[in-house]
Amino acid sequence: DGGITQSPKYLFRKEGQNVTLSCEQNLNHDAMYWYRQDPGQGLRLIYYSQIVNDFQKGDIAEGYSVSREKKESFPLTVTSAQKNPTAFYLCASRQTGNTEAFFGQGTRLTVV
Amino acid sequence: QQQVKQSPQSLIVQKGGIPIINCAYENTAFDYFPWYQQFPGKGPALLIAIRPDVSEKKEGRFTISFNKSAKQFSLHIMDSQPGDSATYFCAASRKGGAQKLVFGQGTRLTINP
Repeated sequence: DGGITQSPKYLFRKEGQNVTLSCEQNLNHDAMYWYRQDPGQGLRLIYYSQIVNDFQKGDIAEGYSVSREKKESFPLTVTSAQKNPTAFYLCASRQTGNTEAFFGQGTRLTVV
Repeated sequence: QQQVKQSPQSLIVQKGGIPIINCAYENTAFDYFPWYQQFPGKGPALLIAIRPDVSEKKEGRFTISFNKSAKQFSLHIMDSQPGDSATYFCAASRKGGAQKLVFGQGTRLTINP
């Protein structure tokens, strides 16, 4: 089945640790996005990438990093510099020129 | 100018009622307005979308009304069912470039049996 796969579904991070969230798509979409969801705040854009080996900061990029070495993969690293990382993280993809964005099932990150 | 404001934050409706969720935007460069439905623990899924050249779009029980001059759009759910209970997000994006979606704050909808 075509779609977006995020892993893991749940992730626990200790203070001071970096963690990486995986996002893989087999839709052959050019553009990929990472959003953060907090209660009552909607979805906020962290990073996005329109083509391989290129990515741009979104509205809340501080404390996060990404890479786009392959078209189908867009991993997000939550670094120790992110002061409040506990949230639900959503990855999305979209074909250039097409408007519908498809979302993965999300990763819930909790700091312990 | 990049904001999309959504209301209400939560809504409770009896089965068969017509919940209405409203959104407003400022950026006149926006040209695509989707609504997403999200169930707990899941990613959002596209429900219905509209472009500013039409004032209304209907898909099944879901209708978007669009008022370009007021820069507002709304979602109506006809004959609402308990299975419609979810969080609904409006969004907007502009033509070209990265087509980044800007989301409203979300509305938690509960349909009572």
